[in-house]
Amino acid sequence: AQRVTQPEKLLSVFKGAPVELKCNYSYSGSPELFWYVQYSRQRLQLLLRHISRESIKGFTADLNKGETSFHLKKPFAQEEDSAMYYCALSRYNNNDMRFGAGTRLTVKP
Amino acid sequence: ETGVTQSPTHLIKTRGQQVTLRCSSQSGHNTVSWYQQALGQGPQFIFQYYREEENGRGNFPPRFSGLQFPNYSSELNVNALELDDSALYLCASRGQGSDTQYFGPGTRLTVL
Repeated sequence: AQRVTQPEKLLSVFKGAPVELKCNYSYSGSPELFWYVQYSRQRLQLLLRHISRESIKGFTADLNKGETSFHLKKPFAQEEDSAMYYCALSRYNNNDMRFGAGTRLTVKP
Repeated sequence: ETGVTQSPTHLIKTRGQQVTLRCSSQSGHNTVSWYQQALGQGPQFIFQYYREEENGRGNFPPRFSGLQFPNYSSELNVNALELDDSALYLCASRGQGSDTQYFGPGTRLTVL
């Protein structure tokens, strides 16, 4: 069965500090992994996906199949990064996307 | 290009009633997924429709049903409402061959 675990419900860092949001998954096949973000009063939106190996707004995430993790990282957090972050996993073609419970990131000035 | 829209914004029902939620996909998108998001939780996948056919379903009972229309708009129907059905219901659309879902703002359903 697919499962996504985000162990931290809340994470608080100071502006300019590094930030890492943890995501662990369980899935027997080859997963497609995503990070979604929801800023205050906005709708849920895609931040990045592992298959693209891209950096968006300074965030990166590396899929570690050995540790079954897909942690989201940013070297220098900004106040505008404060938001709710969800890690998500799907099988091919997004037929069944599973989300973690989310981590609320607060970046303090 | 218009984004995903959902109606109504809020809805209050009583136990045992039936409800229909609506979603209008982003222009050009032929795949729509519905999610239930309980307070403090991540979205849970209900089902997905592609070209008017259901082609994926999560762990939800049959009283959760859906429709997709030729213009790719969609409905989520829930029969025999229970208190635990109180949640935010999200729909998301994507275009063919794309893995990027675009979410609507959601419908907040309260069951009393």
